[in-house]
Order: sequence, then structure tokens, then C-alpha cells
Amino acid sequence: ETAVFQTPNYHVTQVGNEVSFNCKQTLGHDTMYWYKQDSKKLLKIMFSYNNKQLIVNETVPRRFSPQSSDKAHLNLRIKSVEPEDSAVYLCASSRTGGVYAEQFFGPGTRLTVL
Amino acid sequence: AQSVTQPDARVTVSEGASLQLRCKYSYSGTPYLFWYVQYPRQGLQLLLKYYSGDPVVQGVNGFEAEFIKSNSSFHLRKASVHWSDSAVYFCAVSAYYGNEKITFGAGTKLTIKP
Repeated sequence: ETAVFQTPNYHVTQVGNEVSFNCKQTLGHDTMYWYKQDSKKLLKIMFSYNNKQLIVNETVPRRFSPQSSDKAHLNLRIKSVEPEDSAVYLCASSRTGGVYAEQFFGPGTRLTVL
Repeated sequence: AQSVTQPDARVTVSEGASLQLRCKYSYSGTPYLFWYVQYPRQGLQLLLKYYSGDPVVQGVNGFEAEFIKSNSSFHLRKASVHWSDSAVYFCAVSAYYGNEKITFGAGTKLTIKP
């Protein structure tokens, strides 16, 4: 049963537009993540949030920004998308640290930039 | 820094045959190791994990993996594959304590021939 929910499933937009993706987890986890998965299936972590604090930012372009209202939600906003932003964006969550470090993933949002 | 190498980008096996997907990791401390599977148009799902104890760990759907510290390897195995096992498999490593960052390998795409 899915416990990490992402909306929308797909989004098609044009260069220069702004998009926002939503992620919610119902697992009571402390930490949430956003990954970018390219066409070759390579996973790159973009952000992670722990108790509303950004703890990892892998030098993503400034047009990307995470937004969190509480520990169960972590949205991703892309201001002025570019063609290279076309990818699948995966949200994940985990408990903090140690043996709880396994991550649970949502189904992903596929972004196509025309 | 931690890293994961999956040397085989694609593997094709016949249904009913045995399977081994290779994974080698690099990490100076005590690793926490994972195998995830990604079915088409879905997020990643945890197959199995290892952090201590018996070096052969059992996972879901008949998968197992063996931790060999001397070889820095964590290969995934299955005795008899089914067509539904066709997917992309990711090996990952994390620090055992205090680090929420998981490093994923590039993935191995598994195709099952009828």
C-alpha cells in the first residue's frame, strides 16, 4: 500500500513556465527527499528536509526550491523550467538516521518540458 | 565518500533460470546496504537490507543478497526468475549511523525472456 503520495503523475509544460509538485507521506517519518531520475534511470538527490530544515542541497539550480508546511509534506517548485528539467521526480521519506535510514518512495511525477 | 558500482547496465535471463545482479560498494565505515526494485512507471520499492548479522539476507519474492566484506560486494540473487521480475534494480549504501544520505548505483535493467 502506497504511503508516499505524489501529485501530479505527469505534467507537460513549456520552457519558462513555473511548475509545482506535491508530496505527502503518511508514515510519520522525520525526513523527506526529492530525487531527480533522468532518462537513463540515474538517481540524483536534490533536497532533503528534516523537521522543516534543509539538510542536503546537492547544488541544484536556483530555479528549484523545496517547500514544506510540516514534516508530512514536501513540495517541489521549479521556477522557469528548462528542457533539461525533463525527468521523473521522486519523493521519498525516512526516519532519521541509523537502522531507520531506509527510504520509502512515491510513484514519481514525470515532467516533460517542450 | 561512499559510492556504489553496478557493472551490468542490462541483464537478460530466461524465465526459470537463476539470477545474480552484481553490486560493489565503497565506504570506509560500517555500511548499511540495500537493494531496491523499480517496476515500470513506479517508484522504488525496498527488496532487502543488511546492516549486521547473517551475511546472507532474505528479501521479498525469493530474492536474497550476500554481504562479502572482503570483496566489498553485495550481490543480489534469485534461484528461479519469473517474467514479473523484469524491472530495474538498484543497489544502495548508506552510513550505519547519523547520515540520512543514501547513495544509489546506476541500476541494472533486468529483462526476463519467456
